[in-house]
Amino acid sequence: KAGVTQTPRYLIKTRGQQVTLSCSPISGHRSVSWYQQTPGQGLQFLFEYFSETQRNKGNFPGRFSGRQFSNSRSEMNVSTLELGDSALYLCASRPGQGWETQYFGPGTRLLVL
Amino acid sequence: SQQGEEDPQALSIQEGENATMNCSYKTSINNLQWYRQNSGRGLVHLILIRSNEREKHSGRLRVTLDTSKKSSSLLITASRAADTASYFCATENNNDMRFGAGTRLTVKP
Repeated sequence: KAGVTQTPRYLIKTRGQQVTLSCSPISGHRSVSWYQQTPGQGLQFLFEYFSETQRNKGNFPGRFSGRQFSNSRSEMNVSTLELGDSALYLCASRPGQGWETQYFGPGTRLLVL
Repeated sequence: SQQGEEDPQALSIQEGENATMNCSYKTSINNLQWYRQNSGRGLVHLILIRSNEREKHSGRLRVTLDTSKKSSSLLITASRAADTASYFCATENNNDMRFGAGTRLTVKP
């Protein structure tokens, strides 16, 4: 099976812009989770989607949103970008019944100038 | 917010030595997982240990879990230069997964 793919891999934006990142899970996986990784805060959970519904949400402002499509592909959106949003954004997929291994994509590195 | 705390934050050893990393957490869990990350890339899953398990092995990896102390350890035996990476523990409770800050392991050839 193909692994988790994320697009784009690198992105440069300026403050105030918005950005949309995409994640395609492993075929058959219905759960997609998003994480933000920064040197200062480490790996922080953003949200998890399962069968097009947000199942869990981390402690991030409303500027961070996501959605999941019927084919399990997921997108996350960050509006009104701030310098502190510069990070590696990772998505992970798993079958979705819970308590399972997560398979991570390579990440999207976002730089906000 | 993070749940687990890895100890030590950084570890440097010689090839062939064993490396032990510890993880402590605060709340009850369904399972605990260990991941490896090479230089800002995606995470690679190593081992999942359920809350009712005490020890698991996978190749050169051995993971223990002590739920009474809310702690876990990852042992890498006979380390290799290729094991150089950051190692993270992640706790899961009702589909809510939280990662620790990680241990940076350097294995010198």
